[in-house]
Amino acid sequence: QKEVEQNSGPLSVPEGAIASLNCTYSDRVSQSFFWYRQYSGKSPELIMSIYSNGDKEDGRFTAQLNKASQYVSLLIRDSQPSDSATYLCAVNTQGGSEKLVFGKGMKLTVNP
Amino acid sequence: DTGVSQDPRHKITKRGQNVTFRCDPISEHNRLYWYRQTLGQGPEFLTYFQNEAQLEKSRLLSDRFSAERPKGSFSTLEIQRTEQGDSAMYLCASRPDYPSGTDTQYFGPGTRLTVL
Repeated sequence: QKEVEQNSGPLSVPEGAIASLNCTYSDRVSQSFFWYRQYSGKSPELIMSIYSNGDKEDGRFTAQLNKASQYVSLLIRDSQPSDSATYLCAVNTQGGSEKLVFGKGMKLTVNP
Repeated sequence: DTGVSQDPRHKITKRGQNVTFRCDPISEHNRLYWYRQTLGQGPEFLTYFQNEAQLEKSRLLSDRFSAERPKGSFSTLEIQRTEQGDSAMYLCASRPDYPSGTDTQYFGPGTRLTVL
């Protein structure tokens, strides 16, 4: 069973702080990794995709990938109350459908 | 708005009734996926279409579930004889096929099903 694990939450940070969200995956051949944001009652919205080891930055968001450790993370700098949402880590299965396998999600609350 | 639309957005039904959901993907996207999400969980894969061909189905997709994509454009997901355990958000996602480049899946707004 290919699995994606996200560390248990919820996570609460003050406004302006850095929020760190982590994810591990079990399938060593995975090549594509995604972070989605999901507001309550809404559908997942793509924040970042990452394919190579290292860091990828987009505005206040940085995704980090370490394939040797099978680990992917998301850092949110200067957290804002509008960042309060559930963050889903997803891994693309290789070959065939290339369906996404999701973690359970981490609920982030940014306190003003 | 990702360009993927779903209808209806909400459906309340009684146990034992049949329901049908529709998904309209982004027009140039060959690949279409259905997922189901229950409270506190991440989305779980149900089925996948490449154009009109249904190429993969999850074991979650019991005999009461059927999906179609008759002309390779919109897709429908039907649940027969609904059960309370079917209550969930049903999400549709689409993406282009290679070599268009991206393997990012774009999600529609979802259909929230409540079975009473």
